[in-house]
Amino acid sequence: GEDVEQSLFLSVREGDSSVINCTYTDSSSTYLYWYKQEPGAGLQLLTYIFSNMDMKQDQRLTVLLNKKDKHLSLRIADTQTGDSAIYFCAESSRYGGATNKLIFGTGTLLAVQP
Amino acid sequence: DAGVIQSPRHEVTEMGQEVTLRCKPISGHNSLFWYRQTMMRGLELLIYFNNNVPIDDSGMPEDRFSAKMPNASFSTLKIQPSEPRDSAVYFCASREGAPGELFFGEGSRLTVL
Repeated sequence: GEDVEQSLFLSVREGDSSVINCTYTDSSSTYLYWYKQEPGAGLQLLTYIFSNMDMKQDQRLTVLLNKKDKHLSLRIADTQTGDSAIYFCAESSRYGGATNKLIFGTGTLLAVQP
Repeated sequence: DAGVIQSPRHEVTEMGQEVTLRCKPISGHNSLFWYRQTMMRGLELLIYFNNNVPIDDSGMPEDRFSAKMPNASFSTLKIQPSEPRDSAVYFCASREGAPGELFFGEGSRLTVL
């Protein structure tokens, strides 16, 4: 079955870059996502990448996809204390002919030290 | 739009009691998902619906769990009887169509004593 794995914790200093990594197993994944969860809240979409791309940049965020190794990363430049949250990687796999099911990783807690 | 609305936000109940969690998806969204979040297992997909029809319920832990979507604007997740190990935050999410953005509710925090 599909599986998405992430490291559990990352600590960085304010102003440094953060890199959060994710691996997935489903080779038929069509879209890969990064979601952010702040304390006591639901998840919010940060960015996504289509599986035929290898990089996407959106302001301070850079997503890199290595489809051969099934590895996804999220780089946050100039990390701020407001970036402290749990970051989830997710993949969208095919089911019943429709790209519908979204499987999330375990989440990485990013702690930004001032 | 008010976003995905879940109720109750918090529920504390005793083992053996029935628990019903409710969700109102965003109007116009045709897919609805129920997830459970715990420290030990992270975010698990329990079940999802497409156009009110359950598509995949393989994540439902056992027969004590059931979910319904009687119409496009309402879904319930029921646990009967509840057990302490069901304690978690339950999220409902909806989206307009694949592979669109999934919008999450704020979650229902369930504590079973």
